[in-house]
Amino acid sequence: KAGVTQTPRYLIKTRGQQVTLSCSPISGHRSVSWYQQTPGQGLQFLFEYFSETQRNKGNFPGRFSGRQFSNSRSEMNVSTLELGDSALYLCASSLNLVTNEQFFGPGTRLTVL
Amino acid sequence: GNSVTQMEGPVTLSEEAFLTINCTYTATGYPSLFWYVQYPGEGLQLLLKATKADDKGSNKGFEATYRKETTSFHLEKGSVQVSDSAVYFCALKGNQGGKLIFGQGTELSVKP
Repeated sequence: KAGVTQTPRYLIKTRGQQVTLSCSPISGHRSVSWYQQTPGQGLQFLFEYFSETQRNKGNFPGRFSGRQFSNSRSEMNVSTLELGDSALYLCASSLNLVTNEQFFGPGTRLTVL
Repeated sequence: GNSVTQMEGPVTLSEEAFLTINCTYTATGYPSLFWYVQYPGEGLQLLLKATKADDKGSNKGFEATYRKETTSFHLEKGSVQVSDSAVYFCALKGNQGGKLIFGQGTELSVKP
């Protein structure tokens, strides 16, 4: 079974631009979560989607948004990029909201110049 | 709110040494506890988990026991290998859906 895939793997943007990251969960998984990983703040929860609905949201500004499609694929968008948005963005999939095991993708490395 | 605290790294050990990475947590209710490992340039891999008090999670020679009385979930391995060099994250999942709360991570370096 294929794992979680994230595209693109690497991205370079400039301040003020916007970016869209994509995540395809494991086949059959319906829950997708996003995390931001930085050296200073560590791993922080962004949001969680299940059945195309946002179920949970972390403490990030409104510039960070996401959505989930009917095939469970998810995208996250960051608008008006800031230098501090440079990070590894990780997507995790799980069967549902109750299942304990989450499977992570390799991440998208975003660099904001 | 819920939180996880791990011992700071980096931790440097010789091959075949004993490993302990301390993890304590603060949470309401009965969270599930996890250890994840991250190798350079990769995402996180679930190493082991425990879902209730006194449960012992184990995998690839690593073990951790869910201790509710001390709110701890320390990671141990009897004999580390060079291939165990990675960053280890302790995490908890409470009652907010799938949201994981992570510790700051502990970098382990094993020398031959």
